[in-house]
Amino acid sequence: DAKTTQPPSMDCAEGRAANLPCNHSTISGNEYVYWYRQIHSQGPQYIIHGLKNNETNEMASLIITEDRKSSTLILPHATLRDTAVYYCIVRVGSGGSNYKLTFGKGTLLTVNP
Amino acid sequence: EAGVAQSPRYKIIEKRQSVAFWCNPISGHATLYWYQQILGQGPKLLIQFQNNGVVDDSQLPKDRFSAERLKGVDSTLKIQPAKLEDSAVYLCASSSDGYGYTFGSGTRLTVV
Repeated sequence: DAKTTQPPSMDCAEGRAANLPCNHSTISGNEYVYWYRQIHSQGPQYIIHGLKNNETNEMASLIITEDRKSSTLILPHATLRDTAVYYCIVRVGSGGSNYKLTFGKGTLLTVNP
Repeated sequence: EAGVAQSPRYKIIEKRQSVAFWCNPISGHATLYWYQQILGQGPKLLIQFQNNGVVDDSQLPKDRFSAERLKGVDSTLKIQPAKLEDSAVYLCASSSDGYGYTFGSGTRLTVV
């Protein structure tokens, strides 16, 4: 079962920041948080991942709370093309080839003009 | 680098027929995953391979689903016989190091 809880849907105005929350209160100390998104009829696309420090790349920023029980994905300037289902995932496994991504239901982000 | 290739892109079959899906992972990726995504749900892991060995198939309905990864590269997922509830998108993903995971575009199966 997925170890994350996300709101089923969110709206955001084009050009504004989109902040997507995720709860993962049962996360273990060595488990990473991953974010993927899925645009209709496509496979999931990697966005970002992190362990305990905040992370930023060309797509987004990931803010992880100090207790690691929740995180927020930030899309700094949302565009219409960012409309998608966003999945917050805790990577589980005992190491190496044992790691796997277990998906929940995700958040449908709709960016409005 | 080339992505994860899957074929066919779409497939329509009648119930009780058999069907097979093919996946070619990114070159050098030792770990391969098959997921099933039913409409409106997140992907569900069916089976995980490390090279040509099975790491986890606990969620695979073994009475009708089978998968193999000969020579540790390409993989095939088969359903025989198909049921209406097998209608879904079947996604393949691969990883080289357990940190980066790349997904294919999937095969959309419709069972009528």
